[in-house]
Amino acid sequence: GAVVSQHPSWVICKSGTSVKIECRSLDFQATTMFWYRQFPKQSLMLMATSNEGSKATYEQGVEKDKFLINHASLTLSTLTVTSAHPEDSSFYICSARVVGDNSPLHFGNGTRLTVT
Amino acid sequence: AQSVTQLDSHVSVSEGTPVLLRCNYSSSYSPSLFWYVQHPNKGLQLLLKYTSAATLVKGINGFEAEFKKSETSFHLTKPSAHMSDAAEYFCVVSDLAGTYKYIFGTGTRLKVLA
Repeated sequence: GAVVSQHPSWVICKSGTSVKIECRSLDFQATTMFWYRQFPKQSLMLMATSNEGSKATYEQGVEKDKFLINHASLTLSTLTVTSAHPEDSSFYICSARVVGDNSPLHFGNGTRLTVT
Repeated sequence: AQSVTQLDSHVSVSEGTPVLLRCNYSSSYSPSLFWYVQHPNKGLQLLLKYTSAATLVKGINGFEAEFKKSETSFHLTKPSAHMSDAAEYFCVVSDLAGTYKYIFGTGTRLKVLA
């Protein structure tokens, strides 16, 4: 159980366009989802915390107008990279949890974004 | 504040020999600690977790880790490395009772030599 599905697994887009990444909890209701960014051969950096039905909380240094997060339902959160630039190229990973459940976070398989 | 330090960025072992990946943490309260493994271009898979129960934690694929409060360590070990163990390993500290944020270490890349 506790499967988190992320889509797409990879995407290539042109500079200036927007890209949407979906994160779904397939067999549980995720009250909270987290979005991470990982640069090549580096660790994961938390970008934002997304709670269902409310605005996302962004970490310091993360542009909220650049990285739009929507958590409209208990099973879906989306990350939209707006007006993408080559420096936005990265590996984006989501994770999810249920409030009151102290089990570890479950992670999606990530999305490789390449902006040309 | 919480933080985690993985002492080795790269570790190489021969197949069949023991694995030791080191992790030290800093936390102002009782931490929850995890080890995750990541294969290339993949998400993260939970290996094991410590959440204030037994200090010696057994995980999947023969891995285990020991929580040592006096040394603020949570090193990952495996008696005998397998080629399939080659991957990136992350030590993670979290406050499961609060913000639930995960703080990741910088990762250790394990290479297994034939």
